[in-house]
Amino acid sequence: DAGVIQSPRHEVTEMGQEVTLRCKPISGHNSLFWYRQTMMRGLELLIYFNNNVPIDDSGMPEDRFSAKMPNASFSTLKIQPSEPRDSAVYFCASSERIVGNQPQHFGDGTRLSIL
Amino acid sequence: DQQVKQNSPSLSVQEGRISILNCDYTNSMFDYFLWYKKYPAEGPTFLISISSIKDKNEDGRFTVFLNKSAKHLSLHIVPSQPGDSAVYFCAASDPGAGNMLTFGGGTRLMVKP
Repeated sequence: DAGVIQSPRHEVTEMGQEVTLRCKPISGHNSLFWYRQTMMRGLELLIYFNNNVPIDDSGMPEDRFSAKMPNASFSTLKIQPSEPRDSAVYFCASSERIVGNQPQHFGDGTRLSIL
Repeated sequence: DQQVKQNSPSLSVQEGRISILNCDYTNSMFDYFLWYKKYPAEGPTFLISISSIKDKNEDGRFTVFLNKSAKHLSLHIVPSQPGDSAVYFCAASDPGAGNMLTFGGGTRLMVKP
């Protein structure tokens, strides 16, 4: 059974460019999460969806960040325009539902470098 | 304000011995606690969890202990194996925040052969 799939695995781009990160959750999972990991802030939740609907985007750092989930099998996180401080590893995770003891399954992340 | 803290950034243990990873929290409303393991260039993988109404949960070599009065939990790995070398994250679920997970900063465990 395939896990959460993220693409690309690595992205290097210049400041000001648009960046799009992609995620395919595990089939049958109703909840999807986007996280960012940095040395300074650790693993922080950016936004999460339940049944394709954004529920809480309070973790999104700025209006330059946006996320969509057009269907149950695909989500994107977009940064426009990108800045060097956006450099981080971005993880997507999914779970069957949002319950405290329901583990989230993570993809292998996208390592983003903004020059 | 960090609600979940892992105060030891790294831990080194000899193969076959016990590894103890610690986690402290401040929010008494957390109802579940989870441990994740992360290898380099991979995403975190779920390891074990415990409900706030329990004080111990065991799964093979892994045991999690919860001390609610001290707002402290620990993960014990016995016996430790070189393949256990990874970064371990403690996470807590807040029912008052939609059951979202708050993660600690992680502890890097190194198990020496």
